[in-house]
Amino acid sequence: QVQLQESGPGLVKPSETLSLTCTVSGVSISGGSYYWTWIRQPPGKGLEWMGYIYYSGNTNYNPSLKSRVTISVDTSKNQFSLKLRSVTTADTAVYYCARAPILYSYGYIDYWGQGTLVTVSS
Amino acid sequence: EIVLTQSPVTLSLSPGESATLSCRASQSVSSYLAWYQQRPGQAPRLLIYDASNRATGVPARFSGSGSGTDFTLTISSLEPEDFAVYYCQQRSDWPRTFGQGTKVEVK
Repeated sequence: QVQLQESGPGLVKPSETLSLTCTVSGVSISGGSYYWTWIRQPPGKGLEWMGYIYYSGNTNYNPSLKSRVTISVDTSKNQFSLKLRSVTTADTAVYYCARAPILYSYGYIDYWGQGTLVTVSS
Repeated sequence: EIVLTQSPVTLSLSPGESATLSCRASQSVSSYLAWYQQRPGQAPRLLIYDASNRATGVPARFSGSGSGTDFTLTISSLEPEDFAVYYCQQRSDWPRTFGQGTKVEVK
């Protein structure tokens, strides 16, 4: 059974770095059939695709965030991570880690984590 | 960036009625459009991919149609669990983008 679980601080101060990790179980990140993705949703608002990483380390980021975001992968731990620098209150959101399979040409999400709320506040 | 505009913002219907949701793209996305359902407090769930294909386990009352810039999600007979927010999403271009959502609420 595939599961994704986000972990990390729920409160980050403005100008600091938001760091989250997604632990994947039930499937190997190294399997090569998926892009591992971060998506966020501000409270009461819509969804934003932040970026993804392949097991090889290849990444693609949303241009709106490109200068501030880094996604990395640790295949030995079956985890991938998100870092978002210089956060502001506009970065307050539920952050989801997710899987985009080759079945859908890596373009859609078939499994999501439960999401974790990160609040940016001093 | 491709902008997806969903209408209406809110749809008020009764169980058993049919629902028709619209998604319009700012430029052609061919058939590369998906629909997701999000219930309160939950992650989205993929319903339809590539405009008209139901994802695994999705009931037959959900159907999708359209191509180019205009797409429709139809729910043929609303069940109580179908009252939720629905998002469209395109995979034609990077970045992937979502519509702002349509809330289907109980009338």
